[in-house]
Amino acid sequence: GAVVSQHPSRVICKSGTSVKIECRSLDFQATTMFWYRQFPKQSLMLMATSNEGSKATYEQGVEKDKFLINHASLTLSTLTVTSAHPEDSSFYICSATYRGGYTFGSGTRLTVV
Amino acid sequence: QKEVEQNSGPLSVPEGAIASLNCTYSDRGSQSFFWYRQYSGKSPELIMFIYSNGDKEDGRFTAQLNKASQYVSLLIRDSQPSDSATYLCAALGTSYGKLTFGQGTILTVHP
Repeated sequence: GAVVSQHPSRVICKSGTSVKIECRSLDFQATTMFWYRQFPKQSLMLMATSNEGSKATYEQGVEKDKFLINHASLTLSTLTVTSAHPEDSSFYICSATYRGGYTFGSGTRLTVV
Repeated sequence: QKEVEQNSGPLSVPEGAIASLNCTYSDRGSQSFFWYRQYSGKSPELIMFIYSNGDKEDGRFTAQLNKASQYVSLLIRDSQPSDSATYLCAALGTSYGKLTFGQGTILTVHP
């Protein structure tokens, strides 16, 4: 089956620093990846759609200069949270399409202190 | 705004009972619908998807879709304590394969 590997699973960073989250498709090519954010006791909110070799498409209200997405290859997409602040603390999850379905990474718990 | 709404619960059922989870959606263009289970601190796991009107069964799970009423449901038969989780309904819209998630229903199955 299709597996998306997401790293790191947990990260704690200081306010003002940047954090990079990686998602790799292990046994398939992911032309498109989706990045979600989930706050406690809330649902998944789509942040952006990442397409290999082109610019990401951001959802309304998501700052593209703060959440940098790079999808340089068919197996790797990265999300960089720049100048992180405590309000960016959340659970970040990537997802890729595979044969009409969606495979999710294991998620990254980001805590900004 | 295209939305997916779920009864937020929490829903509590005894072990062995049927749990019924409901979902409505606003985008009539939505073609496929997914049910995910999410344990605390984990990413969602696909339970099943449905795209045709009617019922679709997979083991203890049955998904039901009524496009005229814009309604999707998930029935869990013989509920087990291990089924206790948050259940997310998601609709696949017409825009670039994006999924829209409902807010989730917390299910607790008590022994």
